[in-house]
Order: sequence, then structure tokens, then C-alpha cells
Amino acid sequence: QQQVKQSPQSLIVQKGGISIINCAYENTAFDYFPWYQQFPGKGPALLIAIRPDVSEKKEGRFTISFNKSAKQFSLHIMDSQPGDSATYFCAATNTGNQFYFGTGTSLTVIP
Amino acid sequence: DAGVIQSPRHEVTEMGQEVTLRCKLISGHNSLFWYRQTMMRGLELLIYFNNNVPIDDSGMPEDRFSAKMPNASFSTLKIQPSEPRDSAVYFCASSHPGTSGGSYNEQFFGPGTRLTVL
Repeated sequence: QQQVKQSPQSLIVQKGGISIINCAYENTAFDYFPWYQQFPGKGPALLIAIRPDVSEKKEGRFTISFNKSAKQFSLHIMDSQPGDSATYFCAATNTGNQFYFGTGTSLTVIP
Repeated sequence: DAGVIQSPRHEVTEMGQEVTLRCKLISGHNSLFWYRQTMMRGLELLIYFNNNVPIDDSGMPEDRFSAKMPNASFSTLKIQPSEPRDSAVYFCASSHPGTSGGSYNEQFFGPGTRLTVL
């Protein structure tokens, strides 16, 4: 049973466009929602994270939008670049040890 | 800092053989996590250690899997005997335990070991 559901599975965006990846969760005890970026042949790396006490967090071109009542959160990549092409994972935890990951979204940004 | 180091990077073996995956933590970290990544199930936590002690192994799929931390900087994940359904990418990650600045401490992932069991 997937604790965190992620969509879409793959995404193709033109350079300069906005990439949007969505995640949903069920466990209301989750209190930390990170996004990880993974390049081919590499391990996932923390990109940006949010706590449920805020509805949005922005770091450069990357923004997390968080909807606590809907139990959904999303990653927005503004002005998408070819270098952003990677697999993105959302995750959730309430312990800092047991992270529940989504199944990943393969993003391709076309020049 | 060299980051989390995993070896081998690729492993191809035949069903029934023993497989040992290795992980070296980042210096100063004392939490260690083993994950398995597949297309169907994504990233799954298998087991994690704090200060060399296994804390939660509920994600270990079955008795064929075992993990150890013989010292503070090194861990092994062993599969014996291996089966084709064990084929996956196995990651280890390390972190400081607890929180920092109100957020859980980041887990730093190694490059993974791609295991293929024929």
C-alpha cells in the first residue's frame, strides 16, 4: 500500500515552461514533506522540503505548494531548464527516519 | 567530503548465490538507512540503524535479507540466497539523528548498487 501517491509518472516540458508534479498522502500524522531529485546513476538528493504549518515554500525556481485539508502537495519548477531533467520523488514522514516515498516522476525538459 | 560510498556499483549474479552490498557512511554521521528502489514500488526503507544499533527492520522483505553495522562507519546488506525478484537498485543513506533548526536532518544517499539476479 503506497503511503504517498505521486503523479504523473513522466513529464515532458519545453525549456522555459512550468513543470508540476503532484503528491497525495493519507496519514495526517505526517509533518515533513521533502522532495528529492535524482539524476541517472546517482542517489536521490534533497531538493526542497516543507512543514504543514505553511502553504508554500519557495527556493529559487522551485516551489512547494501544500494543501493540508486536501492532503496534497506539489512541486512547481518555474522556467524549467534542460539541466532539471531528472527523476523527482516526493516523500513524507513524521519520525525523520521512516520516509515514505512516491514512485517518482521522470522529467524531461526539451531545449 | 566523499559522501556516502557504496560498492559494488553493479552486481550480476545467479539465483541462489549470496550477495553482499557494502556502504560507508559520511564521517560524523551515526544513522544509516538501507533502501530498495524498483519501478513498481519506488523507494522502500528496508532497515535503519542509529549508533550501530538496528532500530527498525520491519521493511526487510524476508529472512534471506540481513544487515549489519560492524563499526560506526560501515554497513553491509546481505541476501542469501538471492532470487530474481530481488533485482533492484539498493541505496544506503546516512544522516545525523534527530532534528536541526526545526527540520529533520537530511539523509544523504549513496550512488546505489544495481543488483541483477538471473
